[in-house]
This record gives sequence, C-alpha cells and structure tokens, in this order.
Amino acid sequence: NAGVMQNPRHLVRRRGQEARLRCSPMKGHSHVYWYRQLPEEGLKFMVYLQKENIIDESGMPKERFSAEFPKEGPSILRIQQVVRGDSAAYFCASSITFGLNEQFFGPGTRLTVL
Amino acid sequence: AQKVTQAQTEISVVEKEDVTLDCVYETRDTTYYLFWYKQPPSGELVFLIRRNSFDEQNEISGRYSWNFQKSTSSFNFTITASQVVDSAVYFCALSEAGSGNTGKLIFGQGTTLQVKP
Repeated sequence: NAGVMQNPRHLVRRRGQEARLRCSPMKGHSHVYWYRQLPEEGLKFMVYLQKENIIDESGMPKERFSAEFPKEGPSILRIQQVVRGDSAAYFCASSITFGLNEQFFGPGTRLTVL
Repeated sequence: AQKVTQAQTEISVVEKEDVTLDCVYETRDTTYYLFWYKQPPSGELVFLIRRNSFDEQNEISGRYSWNFQKSTSSFNFTITASQVVDSAVYFCALSEAGSGNTGKLIFGQGTTLQVKP
C-alpha cells in the first residue's frame, strides 16, 4: 500500500514563474491537507480539500496561490508568479476522514525560488 | 484561539542521557487530539503518537514516553537513553475536533534535538 506521494521532490523556479506541486493521497483517502514549512519554522496549515471541493482555505495566501483536488488525479497546489519568499517545503497529508483520524504525510516538495 | 508552544528551540544532550521535550497547547474545544511528529535531517515527517483529550493515561513505547496533563495543558515527550539517531526536529501538534473543525493540524515551532556521541 503506497504512502502519500508528492512530486517533484525538489523544484527550482525563477522569480515570476509558476510552480505546480502534486500530491497523490493514499489509496482510499479522499481528504487532503497542504502545509507549508518556511525555513527554520514549523509547519503552517494552508488548505484542506476533499474531492472536487475546497473545504477550508483559511491558511492560503490571498493572492497567487490556488489548490484543487479533482475527481480524478492528484491534488495540485499552484503558485503563480513565484517570489523568493515562497521558497519552502510544502507537505501534503491525506486522511481517510477528517478530524479524528491520523494524517499521513508525504515526503514534501522543496521549492527554491531563485 | 488555538496555539501550540514548544518553548525549547534547541536541546543538546550526550548519548544515553534522558531528554524531555515540552509542549504546551491552548484550545477552547473540549475534544481535541494531540500529536508528536519527528522530522529527521532527511526532511520527511514521521508520525510518533496521537492522543485524544479524553485519555490522560501516559503512554510508553520503547524508549519513548508521553505525559499528557490537561490541568496544565501540556503534552510532554521524553526520550530515555537517547541515541544519535534520535537527532531530529520534533513537532507537537493540535487538532481540534469540535463542531465546525476540519481536522487541520496546528503545529508548534519545533524543538531541534541534537544527540552527541
């Protein structure tokens, strides 16, 4: 049973480019959470999605960031016009239900903006 | 407001010493979950434990033990006879389970543990 998959593991972008981060949840999991870990900081919640729905995006920056979790395929975190401050590790976690169950984390995508 | 505080930024011990990592949380919910995760130098997050707010029994797993005290809103983590492989960043996290909550994790800032040989 494969764990949570994230790709790419490392992503380098120049300022102004777009970054697309993918997350495939564990089999049978329909709940996905995205977290961001800025350098030397803890993880901060960004967004929570179920299939085809954004449930809680209270942690998402207001501009340039978007997320989706389509009926088929992985969840995508998209960052438009990246800036150096977007450099961070982005983790996704999946859960079989929300709240009461353990969230299984992927290995993370390390985004570097030059 | 929900918050998790890990006051110890860095701890350094010598192998075989015992070490306790502190975690203090704030929540208005009566139902919540507390977690500890380990982040080794390789960067992934390793789940260590989940504890619900109704279970104050301390837990031991090998060299790891956890002390949950609702009276002081603390969920401390002790490593007995530390080893070099325990060197990592350790995160405490809170998830509120009351009505309207979505299960998102609120993390502390992390404690970097260095175990020297």
